[in-house]
Amino acid sequence: KAGVTQTPRYLIKTRGQQVTLSCSPISGHRSVSWYQQTPGQGLQFLFEYFSETQRNKGNFPGRFSGRQFSNSRSEMNVSTLELGDSALYLCASSLARQGDNYTFGSGTRLTVV
Amino acid sequence: AQTVTQSQPEMSVQEAETVTLSCTYDTSESDYYLFWYKQPPSRQMILVIRQEAYKQQNATENRFSVNFQKAAKSFSLKISDSQLGDAAMYFCAYRGDNYGQNFVFGPGTRLSVLP
Repeated sequence: KAGVTQTPRYLIKTRGQQVTLSCSPISGHRSVSWYQQTPGQGLQFLFEYFSETQRNKGNFPGRFSGRQFSNSRSEMNVSTLELGDSALYLCASSLARQGDNYTFGSGTRLTVV
Repeated sequence: AQTVTQSQPEMSVQEAETVTLSCTYDTSESDYYLFWYKQPPSRQMILVIRQEAYKQQNATENRFSVNFQKAAKSFSLKISDSQLGDAAMYFCAYRGDNYGQNFVFGPGTRLSVLP
């Protein structure tokens, strides 16, 4: 079966712009989580969605937001981009049963110039 | 808050040899999961092995095994018969047992495999 699909794979944006990243989970998976990966801060949790509701949120400013659709696909949005938002953004999906494994996508590499 | 520490930023191993990657964590929870993920240049995080904290037996997956010491909060990964394809970043991760718990990742160890 298809894995977790993230689009686009690469993205270059200018400071001050906004960006939307997409994540399509494995079929049947209802939970989608987002992580930011940078050389300086490592992997940091952004948020998790389950059944279109945000269930958990990391310590990021309000410029970072997300949503989940009825088909479980998720988008995350970053407004007023800053240079420090340059990162690899990874999403992961799971069936959302306790103890389930999560499957990660290959990420979207965002560069802010 | 939980923290995960990996004290070895880089490691190298000769092909066919054995290498051990270290990980320590801090938590006040009694039930949780621990993981080792591999991230090759393709960027996808690939699950290598996982351990449930309530299980005393160390997890094994083919050439990969862990040494889980709950009291010491230590969770090391042993790779036996190292292969060139094992070269990657390895992340130790913690996740609590409650619904919606997120991963807490360590800073990673870059493993090189020498031919």
